[in-house]
Amino acid sequence: DTGVSQNPRHKITKRGQNVTFRCDPISEHNRLYWYRQTLGQGPEFLTYFQNEAQLEKSRLLSDRFSAERPKGSFSTLEIQRTEQGDSAMYLCASSLTIQGMREKLFFGSGTQLSVL
Amino acid sequence: GNSVTQMEGPVTLSEEAFLTINCTYTATGYPSLFWYVQYPGEGLQLLLKATKADDKGSNKGFEATYRKETTSFHLEKGSVQVSDSAVYFCARNYGGATNKLIFGTGTLLAVQP
Repeated sequence: DTGVSQNPRHKITKRGQNVTFRCDPISEHNRLYWYRQTLGQGPEFLTYFQNEAQLEKSRLLSDRFSAERPKGSFSTLEIQRTEQGDSAMYLCASSLTIQGMREKLFFGSGTQLSVL
Repeated sequence: GNSVTQMEGPVTLSEEAFLTINCTYTATGYPSLFWYVQYPGEGLQLLLKATKADDKGSNKGFEATYRKETTSFHLEKGSVQVSDSAVYFCARNYGGATNKLIFGTGTLLAVQP
């Protein structure tokens, strides 16, 4: 059981630096989601992909954030010019959705970002 | 608007006690409702769900009933165990076929032996 894998588990960076996170979804899952969770809050939706197409982006995703899923498998989330307010747990999740039928969402363990 | 409100924690119970974690939602339509659980050091896992009014989701002894009249989806378990200690999140979807979810703030449950 490979599950949803996220790397790295922890990232500490200095303000102004760029960071990139990787998510490997469950094999053959066609939908991939990114969420962000700050301390004491529930996860907040950021963006999602169907295969390689990015179908929706939240208003939370400023122009410093970019996500890709180039081959419809793994995805990367990049944050440019990080700010202290970007410190959070970044969660990836995937699902297999066929003909509009919503299937179970599987979450990874997340990447904890700390911006100093 | 669209939101999910759940009771604040932590909730501390003795083993075999009855558990209720309240959750209410606001929505313009009829969303699907979910409870997710996060055990220490692990990712979020779906605990149960209900997709329409009066549906009851159940799993591992936990239950929640979709109450449209009170816009609620309270989580209950008759007899909690130490292994149930975790953070519980209530959530609703945006509607449609996606897994875009709005989560509550989470409730920490601590069960003592």
